[in-house]
Amino acid sequence: DAGVTQSPTHLIKTRGQQVTLRCSPKSGHDTVSWYQQALGQGPQFIFQYYEEEERQRGNFPDRFSGHQFPNYSSELNVNALLLGDSALYLCASSLLAGASNEQFFGPGTRLTVL
Amino acid sequence: AQKITQTQPGMFVQEKEAVTLDCTYDTSDQSYGLFWYKQPSSGEMIFLIYQGSYDEQNATEGRYSLNFQKARKSANLVISASQLGDSAMYFCAMRERQRSYNTDKLIFGTGTRLQVFP
Repeated sequence: DAGVTQSPTHLIKTRGQQVTLRCSPKSGHDTVSWYQQALGQGPQFIFQYYEEEERQRGNFPDRFSGHQFPNYSSELNVNALLLGDSALYLCASSLLAGASNEQFFGPGTRLTVL
Repeated sequence: AQKITQTQPGMFVQEKEAVTLDCTYDTSDQSYGLFWYKQPSSGEMIFLIYQGSYDEQNATEGRYSLNFQKARKSANLVISASQLGDSAMYFCAMRERQRSYNTDKLIFGTGTRLQVFP
C-alpha cells in the first residue's frame, strides 16, 4: 500500500522563477493538503483540494496556486519566487468522509531559492 | 483562533527512560482532535498518536501515550523506554474544521527537539 509520495525531493531555484511541486496521495484518499515548513518552524497550512477544487486556504498570497487531478494527485505552483519561499513543502492526504485522525504526510520537497 | 503551544524547544533523555513532551492548546470548539507527529532529519512527518476531544480514555500506541487533560487544555506526549531512534523533532497539532466544506486543516506548534543519549 503506497503512502504519500512527493516529487522532486530537492529543488533549487532563483528569485523570480516559478516552481511546480507534485504529490500523490495515499491509496484510497481523496483530499490533499499542502503545508509550508520554514526552517525551525512548524508547518503552516497553504491550501486543501477536494474534488479538484480548492476547499480551504491559509494566509498565503495568490502566488501560491494549486491543482488537483481526477486521480486525486495534486500540484503546488509558486510564481515569482522570493527568498522567503525557501522551505520544506509537505503534502498530506486524507479521506474527506473518513476518520478524523487520518492525516498522512509525504516526505516533502525541500525548495531553496537563491 | 486555535493555537498550539509547545514550550520546550529541546529535551534530553537517557535511553530506556521515559520522557514527557508538553503541549497546550487553545480552542473554542467543543469537538476537536489532537495529533502528535515525529519529524526525523529526513523531513517526513510521521503520525504517532491521535486524541479526540470526546475520547474518555487517553490514547495509547505502543510506547506512545497521550496525557489528555481537557480542563487544563493540555495534551502531553509520553514516550516510554526511549530509544536512540526516537531522537527527532516532535510536533503537536490540532485539527481545525471548516464547517462549510466539512474539511480539516492542522494547526501545528513550534515543535520540541528530543535527543536520546546512551
